[in-house]
Amino acid sequence: DQQVKQNSPSLSVQEGRISILNCDYTNSMFDYFLWYKKYPAEGPTFLISISSIKDKNEDGRFTVFLNKSAKHLSLHIVPSQPGDSAVYFCAASPTGANSKLTFGKGITLSVRP
Amino acid sequence: DVKVTQSSRYLVKRTGEKVFLECVQDMDHENMFWYRQDPGLGLRLIYFSYDVKMKEKGDIPEGYSVSREKKERFSLILESASTNQTSMYLCASSLFGQGRGNEQFFGPGTRLTVL
Repeated sequence: DQQVKQNSPSLSVQEGRISILNCDYTNSMFDYFLWYKKYPAEGPTFLISISSIKDKNEDGRFTVFLNKSAKHLSLHIVPSQPGDSAVYFCAASPTGANSKLTFGKGITLSVRP
Repeated sequence: DVKVTQSSRYLVKRTGEKVFLECVQDMDHENMFWYRQDPGLGLRLIYFSYDVKMKEKGDIPEGYSVSREKKERFSLILESASTNQTSMYLCASSLFGQGRGNEQFFGPGTRLTVL
């Protein structure tokens, strides 16, 4: 049973526009959420995170929104750049010393020049 | 600057061979993880370790084993490689704790092909 779902496998956006990547989760124990970015032939790199005590976290062009009641989070990239083209993974974990993350299947973002 | 290194970027092995994938981190992290990434399946956890000589099964441990003799090193072993183990293997590490400690740092990955 998939606990973290990224239902859209791909997204294509024009350069300069907003990219919105969605993620849903089913486990009510999750309260810490992360987004990772991955280029081909490289390991994932941490992008941004959010704790369940917040509903928004912003870092430059990247903003993550959390809707706990809907068990939904989204990553907004504004403005999108060609260098943002990559696979984006959503991940979640419960609070506690156990830092095991549960990942979604990823979304491939393509930003067209 | 945090760093996780993996012994090989590309590896080609034959069916039935024993394969060792090595991972080293220089951040003094307690936790280490092995994942495989396959198209359409995302990142799947194979094994993880919270301490030296300690290991726990992840979601897909069958056909794999691990070894953690030193805090900085975590090895993944394919006892008898099979073609369905052709994949990208990713190692990660993280601090023991809550909140930001859940952030995992990944190595560059090893693309393993089993013929």
